[in-house]
Amino acid sequence: GEDVEQSLFLSVREGDSSVINCTYTDSSSTYLYWYKQEPGAGLQLLTYIFSNMDMKQDQRLTVLLNKKDKHLSLRIADTQTGDSAIYFCAHDGLSGGYNKLIFGAGTRLAVHP
Amino acid sequence: DTGVSQDPRHKITKRGQNVTFRCDPISEHNRLYWYRQTLGQGPEFLTYFQNEAQLEKSRLLSDRFSAERPKGSFSTLEIQRTEQGDSAMYLCASSLAGPGTGTDTQYFGPGTRLTVL
Repeated sequence: GEDVEQSLFLSVREGDSSVINCTYTDSSSTYLYWYKQEPGAGLQLLTYIFSNMDMKQDQRLTVLLNKKDKHLSLRIADTQTGDSAIYFCAHDGLSGGYNKLIFGAGTRLAVHP
Repeated sequence: DTGVSQDPRHKITKRGQNVTFRCDPISEHNRLYWYRQTLGQGPEFLTYFQNEAQLEKSRLLSDRFSAERPKGSFSTLEIQRTEQGDSAMYLCASSLAGPGTGTDTQYFGPGTRLTVL
């Protein structure tokens, strides 16, 4: 959706860190989410962040939120081949209602040896 | 397996036929959502149930689409007179929402991939 923008593709070397970026337009978002989708599969919830936080860490995942710039990022430390997938940023918010998520088009992460 | 399940996983049909998909949410989740995902795009919201009540429908949900959740548990999504533009992945998600539950975190099923010939 045009409310959420992500770069389409990211390629990293195994063991390096990956940073996937997302920008959104709806400043009323309460929660922002990162989902992972492997080929032919549904979406797996990775993590989420409340809009009054600026950082959340969960094992290899670090989420940074700059609410002023409406910018969200997901950092994956020590990226592995199993991390290859499409990553979707999503938010709730008034433009979509609090009960539905607005997704970006996804960033395809390719991890190479 | 206590996750969201969907059936069938794949459906191939001819244009003009009716199809029905089923979603079984996580047990005790009171909210259920349907999304549609086309190739290269993120999921787009179709409709949402709180228990058995359908509370919101997207403009994407034309008159040919109908969804039900008769007992507040499983849900069905029916598409009548399918068109080639209906070809997509149909995703179901569920969540537990209410006082003290925090974010309305949605958990997705594996999806039903529909191909209309």
